[in-house]
Amino acid sequence: DQQVKQNSPSLSVQEGRISILNCDYTNSMFDYFLWYKKYPAEGPTFLISISSIKDKNEDGRFTVFLNKSAKHLSLHIVPSQPGDSAVYFCAASAIGGAQKLVFGQGTRLTINP
Amino acid sequence: GAGVSQSPSNKVTEKGKDVELRCDPISGHTALYWYRQSLGQGLEFLIYFQGNSAPDKSGLPSDRFSAERTGGSVSTLTIQRTQQEDSAVYLCASSLAPRGVPNSPLHFGNGTRLTVT
Repeated sequence: DQQVKQNSPSLSVQEGRISILNCDYTNSMFDYFLWYKKYPAEGPTFLISISSIKDKNEDGRFTVFLNKSAKHLSLHIVPSQPGDSAVYFCAASAIGGAQKLVFGQGTRLTINP
Repeated sequence: GAGVSQSPSNKVTEKGKDVELRCDPISGHTALYWYRQSLGQGLEFLIYFQGNSAPDKSGLPSDRFSAERTGGSVSTLTIQRTQQEDSAVYLCASSLAPRGVPNSPLHFGNGTRLTVT
């Protein structure tokens, strides 16, 4: 039972354009959502998060949008840079974040010069 | 050290042998997690330690898998009688998770790549 789904295994975007990564979830108890970025041979690193009481959180070039009714969140990166090329994982947790994180399968983002 | 440290970074073992994977979390972090990533897959939750509470073992795939966390710090993940399907990158993460302040981001180590031949 895949509770967090990233349906696009890969995405290719031109440098300077906007990258939009999508994530869907099924568990209505999830109330905290995070995005992690992973380079090869390294562990994932935290990028940005959002609580279910918000619908948008912005940090520099990164913005996460949450649509609770659709159980959907997205990560926008603008402008995209070559260093953004990595695998991006969406994750969710329940009960105020006190429970374990459930991760999606990841989306490999490639930024083309 | 400044980050989560895992050892070994790579481990090749024969089918049927036991392996131990080690994780040194960030000092002061009370929460510790083990995940694994099989080839082409997402991160699969294995086990979660939080302070002195009983660990959440709900993600362990079989009774061949076990984990300990000694003294609230170092953790060891043990896989007995390894099988080829156990081949994966095993990731450890820790978080501050102070009482009453949830949602602390996880800090991951670089993982142990386990290959069972």
